[in-house]
Amino acid sequence: DVQLVESGGGLVQPGGSLKLSCVASGFTFNNYWMTWVRQAPGIGLEWVANIKKDGSQTNYVDSVKGRFTISRDNAKSSLYLRMDSLRAEDTAVYYCARDRVEYNFGYAKAPYFDYWGQGDLVTVSS
Amino acid sequence: DTQMTQSPSTLSAFMGDRVTITCRASQSIGTWLAWYQQKPGKAPKLLIYKTTSLESGVPSRFSGSGSGTEFTLTISSLQPDDFATYYCQQYDTYPGTFGQGTKVEI
Repeated sequence: DVQLVESGGGLVQPGGSLKLSCVASGFTFNNYWMTWVRQAPGIGLEWVANIKKDGSQTNYVDSVKGRFTISRDNAKSSLYLRMDSLRAEDTAVYYCARDRVEYNFGYAKAPYFDYWGQGDLVTVSS
Repeated sequence: DTQMTQSPSTLSAFMGDRVTITCRASQSIGTWLAWYQQKPGKAPKLLIYKTTSLESGVPSRFSGSGSGTEFTLTISSLQPDDFATYYCQQYDTYPGTFGQGTKVEI
């Protein structure tokens, strides 16, 4: 069975840093793009970032560009999200998810997500 | 970015009811649309992709339709396990954006 398990969340002060981890099992990790999605308390879902199978390409939502860094270690089947300069509005449950990508005339669309972790809460507050 | 708007925000229904949720995109997204179900404290679960394709293991009472800017998720006969929040997501262009959710309650 596919499993994604996040860790590393917690309480951090505004301006601080945190690194989330996600360990994958049950599938060949290096065959998939991977994503982080967040959900602020009581609010909807927001795609944050994703990373190519070999780590050579990344994409970010505008609100985190320059502050968050997504990375992966395929030898450890692990995905990471380094979060710097954290703000109150970054408070959310962070999910790692496996991308599924479709193609239209040879061009990749944005991903949707077929497996999700259980989520990890990040709280930014003084 | 493409904005996704769902209606209604909350839907009250009885078991056995036919339920329809609407999702509108701010610009045409073809049929590049997915639907998810989320229960409290749990991760979202993929139900439907490419507007009409049912994910493996999802009951056939769920169906999707639409194209361009207007889409629907239909539950043909509401079951106890279906009381949850439903989200649409466009994946035509980056960033893939979600609707704000529709809570289906008893």
